[in-house]
Amino acid sequence: DTEVTQTPKHLVMGMTNKKSLKCEQHMGHRAMYWYKQKAKKPPELMFVYSYEKLSINESVPSRFSPECPNSSLLNLHLHALQPEDSALYLCASSHPKYPSGGPPSYNEQFFGPGTRLTVL
Amino acid sequence: KQEVTQIPAALSVPEGENLVLNCSFTDSAIYNLQWFRQDPGKGLTSLLLIQSSQREQTSGRLNASLDKSSGRSTLYIAASQPGDSATYLCAVSRLIYNQGGKLIFGQGTELSVKP
Repeated sequence: DTEVTQTPKHLVMGMTNKKSLKCEQHMGHRAMYWYKQKAKKPPELMFVYSYEKLSINESVPSRFSPECPNSSLLNLHLHALQPEDSALYLCASSHPKYPSGGPPSYNEQFFGPGTRLTVL
Repeated sequence: KQEVTQIPAALSVPEGENLVLNCSFTDSAIYNLQWFRQDPGKGLTSLLLIQSSQREQTSGRLNASLDKSSGRSTLYIAASQPGDSATYLCAVSRLIYNQGGKLIFGQGTELSVKP
């Protein structure tokens, strides 16, 4: 299985709603990522989890709350979003490599199909 | 601060033509470089990964080269087909040990291959 899956494919929510995006991989990868992509722009990193621990938060507003319940699953909880948060949300994962004597480093990233989020 | 630039922003070619997409980056201290393809409204498909110690990688009709010292990579597509039409993104990875690889993307090249 070389796939990253994301649900739902599309999500429409109001500014007072609470919703969650889900990402799953079964490749044994130990790093998982959330990216945000606006139309005609490249993806921008939001969060990185390494071994189920949050390792990077790119100064993302607190209305986005990530969660990594286990090594295969990554969630993004959404609350009180703004219309400008409408975008394609992409999940990715990567596998650690272990240089001799060193901490893990991470290689090729594999992306899911994304969730198209519209905030009304 | 690492900046990644892709030229051209858009390219339209007739079917069968060989073509080159360019990517440049400002900081040569990269861990690896990855080329992706993205179809409209879809996720990213990894095409080729070049480690910083490598000069090129090949997969089918695709060949990617890396010149770290000059901060450049090229993606060569041989015998282009209409199915190659997509946006091609180049991303360099800055390694943060124990924390995951941080990808910094270029703006992409939108390729259209006409039948």
